[in-house]
Amino acid sequence: QKEVEQNSGPLSVPEGAIASLNCTYSDRGSQSFFWYRQYSGKSPELIMSIYSNGDKEDGRFTAQLNKASQYVSLLIRDSQPSDSATYLCAVNEKTDSSYKLIFGSGTRLLVRP
Amino acid sequence: GAGVSQSPSNKVTEKGKDVELRCDPISGHTALYWYRQSLGQGLEFLIYFQGNSAPDKSGLPSDRFSAERTGGSVSTLTIQRTQQEDSAVYLCASSIAGGLGEQYFGPGTRLTVT
Repeated sequence: QKEVEQNSGPLSVPEGAIASLNCTYSDRGSQSFFWYRQYSGKSPELIMSIYSNGDKEDGRFTAQLNKASQYVSLLIRDSQPSDSATYLCAVNEKTDSSYKLIFGSGTRLLVRP
Repeated sequence: GAGVSQSPSNKVTEKGKDVELRCDPISGHTALYWYRQSLGQGLEFLIYFQGNSAPDKSGLPSDRFSAERTGGSVSTLTIQRTQQEDSAVYLCASSIAGGLGEQYFGPGTRLTVT
């Protein structure tokens, strides 16, 4: 079974700081990687996707991918209390003729006002 | 545009009853997925539909679970003879073409088996 590992947290940062969320994955052949945000009682919301090594920026969010180290991270700049949520890392796994997302257990982020 | 929709949003059923959960994907999305999220647990893959291809049912936990997708659009997940361990949030996601692309989730159906 392919695995995706995340620190469960909580990761607590002050408002305005940079929050850094990390994820490692076991399948060296994985090709697409995603970060979802999940508020309590809600469904996951896609916030970033990344397919190539390096950085990808979207507003206050930056995803970083290092396939050699099998490592994905998400940076949130100028963190706001509204960013407080659980962040799920997901890696796309390909089987014979199918694709599915393998999710980490999530990191809970708390942004202190 | 409209996102993925699911119904009902909540379902309470007695142990042993059958339930049907419905998912309507984003218009034009050919791939549809069902996942399950149990309290305090991660998301667990259940089944994947892509166009007219045979579905990948490898994640279904038992033969009490089945799913179908009619006309390449709406999908129904059926759980027969429900058990208490089936209590979870059932999430549907769709993707424009399956494969390695982005998946967008619906609001989920919270199933409680008493």
